[in-house]
Amino acid sequence: EVQLVESGGGLVKPGGSLRLSCAASGFTFSSYSMNWVRQAPGKGLEWVSSISSSSSYIYYADSVKGRFTISRDNAKNSLYLQMNSLRAEDTAVYYCARGGAAAATIFDYWGQGTLVTVSS
Amino acid sequence: DIVMTQSPDSLAVSLGERATINCKSSQSVLYSSNNKNYLAWYQQKPGQPPKLLIYWASTRESGVPDRFSGSGSGTDFTLTISSLQAEDVAVYYCQQYYSTPLAFGPGTKVDIK
Repeated sequence: EVQLVESGGGLVKPGGSLRLSCAASGFTFSSYSMNWVRQAPGKGLEWVSSISSSSSYIYYADSVKGRFTISRDNAKNSLYLQMNSLRAEDTAVYYCARGGAAAATIFDYWGQGTLVTVSS
Repeated sequence: DIVMTQSPDSLAVSLGERATINCKSSQSVLYSSNNKNYLAWYQQKPGQPPKLLIYWASTRESGVPDRFSGSGSGTDFTLTISSLQAEDVAVYYCQQYYSTPLAFGPGTKVDIK
């Protein structure tokens, strides 16, 4: 069974940093691209970042480019999101999502999410 | 960047009746070299993460009931629930994966009338 478990969310002040983690199990992690998607409270879905299976290709939304860094450790079956210079508008539930088998840029499995709150 | 829009914002349908959700992309998501539309649909129930329903505009994900169907090409797409069930109450999102930045529509909330 595919499982994705996010951790690392919490309350942080504007300008602060946070590192999210996603622990994957139930599939060959190193064979799939991985993604972060966020959802502000009561709002829709926003793609944040994607990383290919070997980390060769990395993409970011303009809203986080230069502030967030996606990475992965295939030996540890883990995905990360380093978030710096956080702003109030980064407040959201952050989901880890697997890239689809049919197409790397669809999201076929999702974690339950971790809440990041940016507030003074 | 490709912008996704959806209509209506919300709809209420009687149990057993048809629900239709529209999605439009600001530019074509049909890739001519493989004749595939890079369009997916997701369902999000309250308090849950999204669930992939359909990709390539009309291919149902494994395990998704056949009352869910997708259609359309180019810039205009439709998700149809042929006979609404109580468990289908959710917000539905379309997503283009033709190019980065990947983009979701704003969502359509489906309720029971």
